[in-house]
Amino acid sequence: QKEVEQNSGPLSVPEGAIASLNCTYSDRGSQSFFWYRQYSGKSPELIMFIYSNGDKEDGRFTAQLNKASQYVSLLIRDSQPSDSATYLCAVNGGARGGSYIPTFGRGTSLIVHP
Amino acid sequence: DVKVTQSSRYLVKRTGEKVFLECVQDMDHENMFWYRQDPGLGLRLIYFSYDVKMKEKGDIPEGYSVSREKKERFSLILESASTNQTSMYLCASTLAPTYEQYFGPGTRLTVT
Repeated sequence: QKEVEQNSGPLSVPEGAIASLNCTYSDRGSQSFFWYRQYSGKSPELIMFIYSNGDKEDGRFTAQLNKASQYVSLLIRDSQPSDSATYLCAVNGGARGGSYIPTFGRGTSLIVHP
Repeated sequence: DVKVTQSSRYLVKRTGEKVFLECVQDMDHENMFWYRQDPGLGLRLIYFSYDVKMKEKGDIPEGYSVSREKKERFSLILESASTNQTSMYLCASTLAPTYEQYFGPGTRLTVT
């Protein structure tokens, strides 16, 4: 059974701080890694994806991947109250029927307080 | 922008009713998915489809069936709704080579 683990939180950070969200996965053959943001009562929306070891930056967001340690993280710089949401980590492993099927973590709740 | 739409945002049905949830995507994506999301349990895959008329079971297919007669449309069917199927239902689509998921707005189904 492929597993993706996240701390459920809540992670509480002050406005302007760096929020660090972490995710570990069990399938060593996993190829691609995604972070989704989900506001309360809404559906998940993609923030970033990463395939290669190292860092990938997009605006205030940085995804970090370490395949040897089976670890992926999301850093949010200059956190804003509007970043308060649940962040889902997803990992694509093997293909079935021509599509990669993601395994989702249960999400980390982030609260950014003014 | 990719757009995924779902037929209803909120739905209330009675136990034993047959329920149809419909999902439409406008970006010619090959792959479509149905999930349910429950507090504390996260997103769980019910069924997915990788082509017209092709479907595969996900992790929790019991009590559900699906239909994909056209590429842009993927329907989830609850054959005989039960109270334990009260949940948020999310449809998603993906496209190679990146396979990120694009979600619809969700349908909150209540079975009484």
